[in-house]
Amino acid sequence: GAGVSQSPRYKVAKRGQDVALRCDPISGHVSLFWYQQALGQGPEFLTYFQNEAQLDKSGLPSDRFFAERPEGSVSTLKIQRTQQEDSAVYLCASSSDRAKSYGYTFGSGTRLTVV
Amino acid sequence: AQSVTQLGSHVSVSEGALVLLRCNYSSSVPPYLFWYVQYPNQGLQLLLKYTSAATLVKGINGFEAEFKKSETSFHLTKPSAHMSDAAEYFCAVSDGNSGAGSYQLTFGKGTKLSVIP
Repeated sequence: GAGVSQSPRYKVAKRGQDVALRCDPISGHVSLFWYQQALGQGPEFLTYFQNEAQLDKSGLPSDRFFAERPEGSVSTLKIQRTQQEDSAVYLCASSSDRAKSYGYTFGSGTRLTVV
Repeated sequence: AQSVTQLGSHVSVSEGALVLLRCNYSSSVPPYLFWYVQYPNQGLQLLLKYTSAATLVKGINGFEAEFKKSETSFHLTKPSAHMSDAAEYFCAVSDGNSGAGSYQLTFGKGTKLSVIP
């Protein structure tokens, strides 16, 4: 597609519920990133994929967070047993560069609200 | 470790006035520096980037930024503000070497720009 597509745009989850957030990167982009943006804050790095390989997951806040990109294109960020502190906008970005952050293309994000 | 400090969480300017958004960074290696803009309920759009070429970088929508190593700064400017510039602006830094952290962006907390008619 022309841009990075994320779905759903908005998600309301009850505390303890599992959620799955989807990211469709730009076709052919090797690198894919997930960021978490809390209200009033800048985005914070969660994880990085190069094709299907998850090369860095150091930013995932707990073992309740899991990301995958099985075929090197679409990626899913899963959050198990959601907590209120998980409420944030989750941004996906992709890049044609293998390693350098020359400037990704970001999606519009998924706003997750945990009630 | 890298960090970014954006001075002023909220800046207001009159339409037609100079826009100056401040960004200072901390990095132990030569940095790559970026400015992104975020409109309400949208993702981040790249305005401009510094990747060790010219220190004065021109971006989209009339914005530019100057890398000053001695001041560890990368301030964003625009000579004349338009109403359409009202948005949140984020400065970000990454590792300019080919190290493991070169793909990861560290963002500041953002500066919300308001333009007064």
